[in-house]
Amino acid sequence: EAQVTQNPRYLITVTGKKLTVTCSQNMNHEYMSWYRQDPGLGLRQIYYSMNVEVTDKGDVPEGYKVSRKEKRNFPLILESPSPNQTSLYFCASSSTGLTEAFFGQGTRLTVV
Amino acid sequence: GENVEQHPSTLSVQEGDSAVIKCTYSDSASNYFPWYKQELGKGPQLIIDIRSNVGEKKDQRIAVTLNKTAKHFSLHITETQPEDSAVYFCAAHSIGGSYIPTFGRGTSLIVHP
Repeated sequence: EAQVTQNPRYLITVTGKKLTVTCSQNMNHEYMSWYRQDPGLGLRQIYYSMNVEVTDKGDVPEGYKVSRKEKRNFPLILESPSPNQTSLYFCASSSTGLTEAFFGQGTRLTVV
Repeated sequence: GENVEQHPSTLSVQEGDSAVIKCTYSDSASNYFPWYKQELGKGPQLIIDIRSNVGEKKDQRIAVTLNKTAKHFSLHITETQPEDSAVYFCAAHSIGGSYIPTFGRGTSLIVHP
């Protein structure tokens, strides 16, 4: 089954404790991206990648890092999480930049 | 960069009525416009899309119209049903930039039985 898998689905952590949210897709897509969803603000792009070893900042990259060492994986790294990073996070992939995006199920992160 | 405005933020209709959600975009180089439906606890899923060489596209009860001159596109849902209740997002992809979509802020559609 074609899918984008994010882990974990839920995470509560403390300020400053490094964490990684994993994202994996099995569709051999070149494009992958991370979004955060906050009430009233919709989906805001954090980082995106157009291929292996190619990443770039989206609209809200501060406080986040990503890497794309393999085509299927695109982890999101919070080196020092802060409470304002409490949000619902989505990973997405698409075959090209002009086609349908497939989203993961989301990761609800709470930073206390 | 691209800017996408979506209205209304909330839409409440009676079952069987039609619902219309409108989006405007700023970048004339945008040429792919998908619509996503997000049900509670799930990620967004594509329901329909349109490219800039087409003015209208239909899929059963759902249709999308595009006016490139005015830079706006709309989602039309006819004969709404309770299962249409969800958050809907429009998006615009620009060939002038990274191709990554810019999303509207979403519309919460509530269909009352």
